[in-house]
Amino acid sequence: NAGVMQNPRHLVRRRGQEARLRCSPMKGHSHVYWYRQLPEEGLKFMVYLQKENIIDESGMPKERFSAEFPKEGPSILRIQQVVRGDSAAYFCASSQPGQGAGEQYFGPGTRLTVT
Amino acid sequence: KQEVTQIPAALSVPEGENLVLNCSFTDSAIYNLQWFRQDPGKGLTSLLLIQSSQRVQTSGRLNASLDKSSGRSTLYIAASQPGDSATYLCAVRGSGGSNYKLTFGKGTLLTVNP
Repeated sequence: NAGVMQNPRHLVRRRGQEARLRCSPMKGHSHVYWYRQLPEEGLKFMVYLQKENIIDESGMPKERFSAEFPKEGPSILRIQQVVRGDSAAYFCASSQPGQGAGEQYFGPGTRLTVT
Repeated sequence: KQEVTQIPAALSVPEGENLVLNCSFTDSAIYNLQWFRQDPGKGLTSLLLIQSSQRVQTSGRLNASLDKSSGRSTLYIAASQPGDSATYLCAVRGSGGSNYKLTFGKGTLLTVNP
C-alpha cells in the first residue's frame, strides 16, 4: 500500500508566478490535510478537505492561497503570485473516512523556493 | 489556543547514551499526542502515538510518556545510535470540535556522535 504521495518534491518559482502542489492520499483515505513548515518554525495547520468539500480552511492565508480535493485526482494546493515569504515545506497528510480524528499519515513534502 | 513547546531545541550526545526529549502543551484537553521523526529534507515518520487515556507507549528503544494533567510528555531513547540523529517533533490533537488539527512543537534537533 503506497503511502501519501506528493509532487513535485522540490519547486522553484519566481516572485509573481503560481505554484501548484499535488497530494495523492493513501489508498482508501478520503480526508486530506495540508500543513506548512516555515524555516525554523513548527508545522502549522492550513486546511482540511474531504472529497469535493473544504471542511476547515482556518489556517490558510486569506489571499493567494486555495485548496481543492476533487472527486477524481489528487488534492491541489495552489498559491498565486508567490512571494519570498511563501518559501517553505508544504506537507500533506491523509486519514481514513469516517474518522475525523483518525491518525494522519504524512507525505514527504514539497519544498517551495521563491526566488 | 494550544501551544506546544519542545525542550531542548538541540541536543548532542555521544553514542550509547540514554536521553530524554521534553514536550509541553498548554491545553490539557487533548485527544492524543504523537511523536514524529523528521530527517533533513524528508517527511515525517510517526514514532509513537499516545491516546489521552494512556500514560506510556513503547516501541523498541523508544518510550513515550504522557501526563495530561500537567501538560507534559517525554520521549526516552535508550542506547542512542548515530542513526537516531534527526529532528524529533511532538504534536498534540485537541479533543474539541477541531480535533483533526495537529499542533506541532518546533522540534528537538538530535545529534548522536559516533
